[in-house]
Amino acid sequence: NAGVTQTPKFRILKIGQSMTLQCTQDMNHNYMYWYRQDPGMGLKLIYYSVGAGITDKGEVPNGYNVSRSTTEDFPLRLELAAPSQTSVYFCASRRQGGPGELFFGEGSRLTVL
Amino acid sequence: AQRVTQPEKLLSVFKGAPVELKCNYSYSGSPELFWYVQYSRQRLQLLLRHISRESIKGFTADLNKGETSFHLKKPFAQEEDSAMYYCALRGNNNDMRFGAGTRLTVKP
Repeated sequence: NAGVTQTPKFRILKIGQSMTLQCTQDMNHNYMYWYRQDPGMGLKLIYYSVGAGITDKGEVPNGYNVSRSTTEDFPLRLELAAPSQTSVYFCASRRQGGPGELFFGEGSRLTVL
Repeated sequence: AQRVTQPEKLLSVFKGAPVELKCNYSYSGSPELFWYVQYSRQRLQLLLRHISRESIKGFTADLNKGETSFHLKKPFAQEEDSAMYYCALRGNNNDMRFGAGTRLTVKP
């Protein structure tokens, strides 16, 4: 049982490039989330999904896109990368109902130069 | 609007001293509140949640709806408590919002 797996762990992008951060979970969780973590700013919610085919914007969605074609996968797409998107990105999931505990991935450190 | 405020970015105490990490929230409905912890080189993980009214690793947190607070407390801090602590709130639409975090350092 791997839990929540994110790839890549590290990536350097040039301004204007695009990339996809992958997130997959093997716990059959309905809910999945993407956060970015910036020093002194805590975790900011980018997008979340309550099930396959359903996504919603969080606090800071601009510059990002998501899709949820399967229960397991929730990729985050960065279009036209900007230096402001330099951050550590975390994917998390939780099951429907229950106490609401989030299970996190290890994080993906992205640098845009 | 749904908001979580952690006023202290850094908190430093000596081993054996009491510790309190502050969390205030703003939410119009009935909130569900959590504390998450991130130890060095480990994943973010749940520490405790208000609905359980439990004590984990000696930490407790009480929801005070009058003061809209959910402060985390421990009577005797240990060095292994040094970590980043986040307060989080789950809203009715199932999003989960986090505060800015407090880095706790417990000195020997």
